[in-house]
Amino acid sequence: GAVVSQHPSRVICKSGTSVKIECRSLDFQATTMFWYRQFPKQSLMLMATSNEGSKATYEQGVEKDKFLINHASLTLSTLTVTSAHPEDSSFYICSAQRAGDTGELFFGEGSRLTVL
Amino acid sequence: SQQGEEDPQALSIQEGENATMNCSYKTSINNLQWYRQNSGRGLVHLILIRSNEREKHSGRLRVTLDTSKKSSSLLITASRAADTASYFCATDAYTDKLIFGTGTRLQVFP
Repeated sequence: GAVVSQHPSRVICKSGTSVKIECRSLDFQATTMFWYRQFPKQSLMLMATSNEGSKATYEQGVEKDKFLINHASLTLSTLTVTSAHPEDSSFYICSAQRAGDTGELFFGEGSRLTVL
Repeated sequence: SQQGEEDPQALSIQEGENATMNCSYKTSINNLQWYRQNSGRGLVHLILIRSNEREKHSGRLRVTLDTSKKSSSLLITASRAADTASYFCATDAYTDKLIFGTGTRLQVFP
């Protein structure tokens, strides 16, 4: 099956700093990647859709200047949480859609961000 | 708002029993998918059912889809302790993005 690698799996940072999370498709090309946020015991909330070579499309209520998304290649998308605050602490999960596929998503293992 | 609502929110059963989870959604869809999430991990795709399909099987999994009622069910037969996880339905609403339901937390006791 297709593998998506997400890094780091855990990160702790001080309030006001920025944190970058990487999402890589290891054995396939992903024209589209999705970033989700998940609070404890809750569902995944879609934050943005990332398309290779173009600007990300953000969901309503998600601050694009706060959550910077870059999809520079067909195998890599990054999410940068800028000027992080404790309320940004959460579990962030990326997923990738294989080029030419419609439907099944392949998920990374998630990144747990704790902002002190 | 989330596309899918799942029922029950939590389910506890003994090994060997069957587990049934239900998902209701709001708009027309192209397909519906079920995913599994172990605690603190990413999601794993279980099964995809298209809007023109009514039932699909994969191993111990059976999924049904009723587009007239905008609902789906996931049945896990002969459950095992290793099936303990959260299960989510996800729909596409004819877009390229998936919207996830609220999830069912399944606990299977040995």
